[in-house]
Amino acid sequence: GDSVTQMEGPVTLSEEAFLTINCTYTATGYPSLFWYVQYPGEGLQLLLKATKADDKGSNKGFEATYRKETTSFHLEKGSVQVSDSAVYFCALSDSSGGSGTYKYIFGTGTRLKVLA
Amino acid sequence: NAGVTQTPKFRILKIGQSMTLQCTQDMNHNYMYWYRQDPGMGLKLIYYSVGAGITDKGEVPNGYNVSRSTTEDFPLRLELAAPSQTSVYFCASSYTGEKLFFGSGTQLSVL
Repeated sequence: GDSVTQMEGPVTLSEEAFLTINCTYTATGYPSLFWYVQYPGEGLQLLLKATKADDKGSNKGFEATYRKETTSFHLEKGSVQVSDSAVYFCALSDSSGGSGTYKYIFGTGTRLKVLA
Repeated sequence: NAGVTQTPKFRILKIGQSMTLQCTQDMNHNYMYWYRQDPGMGLKLIYYSVGAGITDKGEVPNGYNVSRSTTEDFPLRLELAAPSQTSVYFCASSYTGEKLFFGSGTQLSVL
């Protein structure tokens, strides 16, 4: 079945450091890929998405490129801030089951802590 | 704009008690979902609904029930609470079935 694997945390960085959080997936169809972010005490919110191979999603300085050849969707940011401290979830959504219903699969989440 | 609203935010139950987690959305979304989030385990889908009157099981439905009598509301019912149901519960909604909008969660402890 479909699955999402992301790097375990926690990841601790100094402010202005470069961030990479790895995410790989397996899917039988042609999924859309997402990064969601969860700030302390809140629900998840969409950070960025990509719907087909070679698409690049970007938002708030974060980027991720849909790599079909390596089945990856790594999250990157050139210079992190203390306010980026949160848990980041990689996810895929696949509607190829034929029912018209999107099936969401989430990774286990990676906690990021940015120190001033 | 309220978005997805969940109540309560925190609850402690004794084993065998029952309760209903409330979820309402004001975005006129057809798709609604219940997830549970266990430490280090990501989110697991409990139940989902593609419209009023239609519900279906997700990955981990045992011990839970849902109903969807209106587009806005999607309550989750725990009939006989067990320690294994200690978790954080998230309700989510979606217009297209792709981008999900989440509530702020309910932290449930069963002791």
